[in-house]
Amino acid sequence: KAGVTQTPRYLIKTRGQQVTLSCSPISGHRSVSWYQQTPGQGLQFLFEYFSETQRNKGNFPGRFSGRQFSNSRSEMNVSTLELGDSALYLCASSLEDGRRDTQYFGPGTRLTVL
Amino acid sequence: AQKVTQAQTEISVVEKEDVTLDCVYETRDTTYYLFWYKQPPSGELVFLIRRNSFDEQNEISGRYSWNFQKSTSSFNFTITASQVVDSAVYFCALSEGGRDSNYQLIWGAGTKLIIKP
Repeated sequence: KAGVTQTPRYLIKTRGQQVTLSCSPISGHRSVSWYQQTPGQGLQFLFEYFSETQRNKGNFPGRFSGRQFSNSRSEMNVSTLELGDSALYLCASSLEDGRRDTQYFGPGTRLTVL
Repeated sequence: AQKVTQAQTEISVVEKEDVTLDCVYETRDTTYYLFWYKQPPSGELVFLIRRNSFDEQNEISGRYSWNFQKSTSSFNFTITASQVVDSAVYFCALSEGGRDSNYQLIWGAGTKLIIKP
């Protein structure tokens, strides 16, 4: 079974631009979570989607948004990029419930904001 | 509030030594789940183990073993006869299973493990 895939793997943007990251979960998984990882803040939860609905959101500004499609694929968008948004963005999928079901992670998208 | 503490920022050992990574957690839920993940330099988080709060049985998988103790709120990870390929950052994580809990993993800061040949 194919794992979680994320595209693109690397991205370089400038301040003020916007970016969209994509995540395809493991086949049969309906829950998708997004995390931001930085050296200073570690791993931080962004949001979780299930059945096209956002079930929970972390403590991030409104510039960070996401959505999930009917095939469980998910995208996250960051608008008006800031230097501090440079990070590794990780997507994870789980069967139905990210609390009790194991979350499997993709390789991440490394975003650099100049 | 929920919290995961990995007090060891970095550990360096010589190959074939045993090493234990500590994880202490805080939660008020009676139902919760604990995880260990490995992050090699490539960046991808690799799942190692999941434990639920009702199962305190220790687990061994090859050279890896985990010691879950509710009395001390700890979920420690031991690598026996370490190998250079074990070099990575290891994360301990917690999720709460209560009805009002969030759908997220709470992460420790990670322990960077360096295995020298």
